[in-house]
Amino acid sequence: EIVLTQSPGTLSLSPGERATLSCRASQSVGSRYVAWYQQKPGQAPRLLIYGASSRATGVPDRFSGSGSGTDFTLTISRLEPEDFAVYYCQRYGSSSTFGGGTKVEIK
Amino acid sequence: QVQLQESGPGLVKPSQTLSLTCTVSGGSISSGNYYWSWIRQPAGKGLEWIGRIYNSGSTQYNSSLKSRVTISVDTSKNQFSLKLSSVTAADTAVYFCARGVVVTVAAHYFDNWGQGTLVTVSS
Repeated sequence: EIVLTQSPGTLSLSPGERATLSCRASQSVGSRYVAWYQQKPGQAPRLLIYGASSRATGVPDRFSGSGSGTDFTLTISRLEPEDFAVYYCQRYGSSSTFGGGTKVEIK
Repeated sequence: QVQLQESGPGLVKPSQTLSLTCTVSGGSISSGNYYWSWIRQPAGKGLEWIGRIYNSGSTQYNSSLKSRVTISVDTSKNQFSLKLSSVTAADTAVYFCARGVVVTVAAHYFDNWGQGTLVTVSS
């Protein structure tokens, strides 16, 4: 079973700063089968990125995804107040696996 | 805009069966190339995919839960359901239903989620 490890566990940043979130797989997941989600307290996750780098409908272009093989990255170019949340990566293939999440908090 | 809504008991006794239903509105569960999944999240923890069903009734389950999980679909009611047997306190979580966009056979990401429902396992 593929395990996804997200780092860091918590990222403390200020609005306007750049956030770089990492998702590492225990074995190659190919180039496309990774998605990223944003979750705020008391809410369901929201799809941000699919296919490693494609933005979902309505997602601002400050969110971008990249990577292939075992290393994937979600970048938020300039943090807005509403971006402080927990972010999860997902590998989708023969089964679905989520990473443990990265919390982006206000510094 | 498709909406999903979970329903079912919020409290289940240990060793009993947890039963939840997801009602889909704003679109037919039979149309489009989608899987319909259940995902859970214990308080303060991450997400765990439980399993999925296609409108044909074809299912796939997380191997760690497979022996206890049954997912079924009722296309006439535009609903799909989860049954998890022999529950313990470790099954206490918020349970989400979600729509999965099919990329290839089995591979899907989740573009629409229900709001989630808390199920507590306790006597």
